[in-house]
Amino acid sequence: EAGVAQSPRYKIIEKRQSVAFWCNPISGHATLYWYQQILGQGPKLLIQFQNNGVVDDSQLPKDRFSAERLKGVDSTLKIQPAKLEDSAVYLCASSLGQANNEQFFGPGTRLTVL
Amino acid sequence: LAKTTQPISMDSYEGQEVNITCSHNNIATNDYITWYQQFPSQGPRFIIQGYKTKVTNEVASLFIPADRKSSTLSLPRVSLSDTAVYYCLVGTGYNQGGKLIFGQGTELSVKP
Repeated sequence: EAGVAQSPRYKIIEKRQSVAFWCNPISGHATLYWYQQILGQGPKLLIQFQNNGVVDDSQLPKDRFSAERLKGVDSTLKIQPAKLEDSAVYLCASSLGQANNEQFFGPGTRLTVL
Repeated sequence: LAKTTQPISMDSYEGQEVNITCSHNNIATNDYITWYQQFPSQGPRFIIQGYKTKVTNEVASLFIPADRKSSTLSLPRVSLSDTAVYYCLVGTGYNQGGKLIFGQGTELSVKP
């Protein structure tokens, strides 16, 4: 069974530039999550989708971050414009259903903002 | 939302049993307790989940006392490859108004 795919694996940009990350969840998983993990900290949930609807985006900085999950499968997370403090690993995860179901994580995208 | 408290770090030696305790004093009736493992440069990986008493799978055991205000992840006979960060999470499904929140985790270092 294929796991959660993410791209790119690494990205380096300058502040005020834009960047987008892509995630392909495990086939059949209805719930998709985007997390931000700053070095030395645990993952922080940014947004949670159930199919193509947003369940929770309370910690998403909506002035610069946006995410969509068209057709309830793939998802993209965008940052525009990026700030230095956005340097982190962005993890995508998926699960069959509820938040307390086992979440399967992708390898993450390491973003460096200079 | 239930907050969890874990030791920041722990050291062990190969072949020993490691017990990592997590405190969650404000756990709600519907909350489950879940543990994840994370290696450097990888996403977290599910280890075990429980609601009460004891749960065991092929890699770990989870002990939950009757009051559910804490839980202990037990790793039998650890090896060098068990060196990782371990996260304790408490939460419910989103349709019950809850979500899972990762804390800072416990960095386990296994030495030869």
